[in-house]
Amino acid sequence: DTGVSQNPRHKITKRGQNVTFRCDPISEHNRLYWYRQTLGQGPEFLTYFQNEAQLEKSRLLSDRFSAERPKGSFSTLEIQRTEQGDSAMYLCASSFGNKDEQYFGPGTRLTVT
Amino acid sequence: QKEVEQDPGPLSVPEGAIVSLNCTYSNSAFQYFMWYRQYSRKGPELLMYTYSSGNKEDGRFTAQVDKSSKYISLFIRDSQPSDSATYLCAMFGGATNKLIFGTGTLLAVQP
Repeated sequence: DTGVSQNPRHKITKRGQNVTFRCDPISEHNRLYWYRQTLGQGPEFLTYFQNEAQLEKSRLLSDRFSAERPKGSFSTLEIQRTEQGDSAMYLCASSFGNKDEQYFGPGTRLTVT
Repeated sequence: QKEVEQDPGPLSVPEGAIVSLNCTYSNSAFQYFMWYRQYSRKGPELLMYTYSSGNKEDGRFTAQVDKSSKYISLFIRDSQPSDSATYLCAMFGGATNKLIFGTGTLLAVQP
């Protein structure tokens, strides 16, 4: 399977804990994106990378959120001191170039109790 | 006002019907338009990708873009129960390629 993969698929954590998600993009895709989706809504943009450079961050990405893409391959999204409002589906997508289609992974569903 | 408006539905149709799904948008900089299908608790699956105005057909799916009216549509012919899902429109343009999504339309195709 050469699609976008995400791990874990589901994460349950207690409020105040830190969590980290991983995304592996489609091989040779230079751009990697993170989105967040809550129930009944479309995905909302969080941030994106071109290779290892983080080029844009949404105002939704508070200082508790940090994303990295070392070596321009996989990416991680970390949430520190989780809050109940962080409960959502976290989606990763990748594309080859800046005008190309974005392909999504299966998502990581975060539940903060 | 949201940049992209989409009727959330739900939309229920009998098997074999033609389905019409629509989105309107306000940002004239949008030039790239996509439709995604999302099954419950899964990631969005890309169905159609179009640039600027015009039509694009792929099997039972047809995407239309009318930039003058800021209106896009997805038509599904001969709908099947397996088409039952949420359909999301998305678009980008200008200086950024972050996708702006509609809220999604929930479609149910009844056998």
